[in-house]
Amino acid sequence: GAGVSQSPSNKVTEKGKDVELRCDPISGHTALYWYRQSLGQGLEFLIYFQGNSAPDKSGLPSDRFSAERTGGSVSTLTIQRTQQEDSAVYLCASSLGPSGAGELFFGEGSRLTVL
Amino acid sequence: GNSVTQMEGPVTLSEEAFLTINCTYTATGYPSLFWYVQYPGEGLQLLLKATKADDKGSNKGFEATYRKETTSFHLEKGSVQVSDSAVYFCALKGSQGNLIFGKGTKLSVKP
Repeated sequence: GAGVSQSPSNKVTEKGKDVELRCDPISGHTALYWYRQSLGQGLEFLIYFQGNSAPDKSGLPSDRFSAERTGGSVSTLTIQRTQQEDSAVYLCASSLGPSGAGELFFGEGSRLTVL
Repeated sequence: GNSVTQMEGPVTLSEEAFLTINCTYTATGYPSLFWYVQYPGEGLQLLLKATKADDKGSNKGFEATYRKETTSFHLEKGSVQVSDSAVYFCALKGSQGNLIFGKGTKLSVKP
């Protein structure tokens, strides 16, 4: 597609439920990133995939969060047993590669509200 | 570790005023530096970047100069417009390739 596509754009769920957020990066981009944007917290790095390398999971806030990237393209971020503090906008980005000053292209995000 | 600190907003200016949004960083070495902008209802997009010391990034009338002496990358614009109202994020590129962002500065420009 023309840009990074994320779905759903909005998700309301009850505390304790699992949610899956999907990201479809720009075709040909080998690097894929997940960030979380919360009010007053700015953009928090969650996880990063580069090609076939093991992902950098250093930003995941707890073991309730996981992500996978199938076939080097689409990625799914899963949050298990959601909590109210998980409410945020989850942003996905992709880039041609990790090095230098390559631009990250962002999707419009998935807004998660946990009741 | 790597980090970015930018001035907290919100910042409210009148049209045609001069804008400065301060950004300083802590990093090993000399990472690439970026300003991203998020217009209301839109996704983040790259505004400008600089890859080495003394580089000046510029776009849409905005400028920022990579200052290694002061570890700064302040964003400036000589005359803001209402259409510049947005949230601005300073960022550096970490050694793993991910971007590390500041907390963002919301700019509102009044006519």
